[in-house]
Amino acid sequence: GQQLNQSPQSMFIQEGEDVSMNCTSSSIFNTWLWYKQEPGEGPVLLIALYKAGELTSNGRLTAQFGITRKDSFLNISASIPSDVGIYFCAGPRNSGGGADGLTFGKGTHLIIQP
Amino acid sequence: EAGVAQSPRYKIIEKRQSVAFWCNPISGHATLYWYQQILGQGPKLLIQFQNNGVVDDSQLPKDRFSAERLKGVDSTLKIQPAKLEDSAVYLCASSDNRGQGEKLFFGSGTQLSVL
Repeated sequence: GQQLNQSPQSMFIQEGEDVSMNCTSSSIFNTWLWYKQEPGEGPVLLIALYKAGELTSNGRLTAQFGITRKDSFLNISASIPSDVGIYFCAGPRNSGGGADGLTFGKGTHLIIQP
Repeated sequence: EAGVAQSPRYKIIEKRQSVAFWCNPISGHATLYWYQQILGQGPKLLIQFQNNGVVDDSQLPKDRFSAERLKGVDSTLKIQPAKLEDSAVYLCASSDNRGQGEKLFFGSGTQLSVL
């Protein structure tokens, strides 16, 4: 089945630093989504990407859909304490149509040191 | 707008016992999903409903897991009997359209511990 590989697994950064994480796939995706999950909560959608090469921003977050359609990255600029959480990339389980739902990577755990 | 509601928030049971989780999706959302999230992993789809019909249950361990969405609104997920490896967070999500790239809205989940 489809596999999404996220890196790094975890990041320890200082407040104010920029963050970059990426996600690669074993197969082509037509859509990439980035979610954030905080402790005790479900994932929340941050950004959705629909076209190869697309660059989309949401406040301090910027995500890009890779040209090969097998990768995506997420950048966070000037990190703040509330950015702490686990960031997941996700893509449609069935890119050929039919049943939907999402497949998720294992996540990048962002920790901000004071 | 109310979000996806799930209950209970936490459940502790012994292996071989039964357990049920409940989900109320966002009003008007036709598609409902149950995901299993094991500690340190991303969510894994168990079952997808479109209204009250099952769209995809290929990853549901049907020998012990069952789910229903009888009236196309609320849904329950049951495990009978539970095993130690079922310890996880069970997330319910809903969406209002089908097709690639649909945006899922998740509940807060039920954290299950099987002892």
